[in-house]
Amino acid sequence: QSVLTQPPSASGTPGQGVTISCSGSTSNIGSNTVSWYQQLPGTAPKLLIYSNNQRPSGVPDRFSGSRSGTSASLAISGLQSEDEAHYYCAAWDDSLKWVFGGGTKLTVL
Amino acid sequence: EVQLVESGGALVQPGGSLRLSCTASGFKFNSYWMSWVRQAPGKGLEWVANIKEDGGDKYYVDSVRGRFTISRDNAKSSVYLQMNSLRVEDSAVYFCARDLTVIRFLEALWEEKSYYYGMDVWGQGTTVTVSS
Repeated sequence: QSVLTQPPSASGTPGQGVTISCSGSTSNIGSNTVSWYQQLPGTAPKLLIYSNNQRPSGVPDRFSGSRSGTSASLAISGLQSEDEAHYYCAAWDDSLKWVFGGGTKLTVL
Repeated sequence: EVQLVESGGALVQPGGSLRLSCTASGFKFNSYWMSWVRQAPGKGLEWVANIKEDGGDKYYVDSVRGRFTISRDNAKSSVYLQMNSLRVEDSAVYFCARDLTVIRFLEALWEEKSYYYGMDVWGQGTTVTVSS
């Protein structure tokens, strides 16, 4: 049981947009910023979003993040086949640990 | 090129010990916190531990506290994870990651504030299998 709650799956067709949610509590998302990671099959995670809505250099602007209260969202616009991956949210919890969501498997139909 | 390379994963019996290593290159290692994150087969990511730039502060997930020890050697640009009393449920791919935890002193408030931006560089992972 993960501390942050994500839907296990999401899907969309090429060109569409999709949003993945991440629900936490006042001790994590409500107090600290959220980061998002993309994990392609058989590879290490890659940082997509940090500080709720900031993209590292090299991450396409099709990826955007937001936070409101104790929840956060990752939006992907203009879906591409290469976006098919697992996506994880994370935040620092005030009990002195990083916590991750259980992950969302995105399928591009 | 900024890079992290893990090593030390192996097959070990329950109750055994293992030491994982992660060597960094391409960045000023002693300016960053470092984390270990694991992923059991077919499961999600689980943070294990992290360590401050100077090794002074260390934090652990509850399930490994007292069994695992994180340490670093800044002269060797390396971070380690000593794992003792290993359990079957510790079987996973272990990733080391550059941890963007930052502690700033806010003069206006005359206090320290911590910021947790995420983990921006990851190694390829090393596999630990605990089985009899």
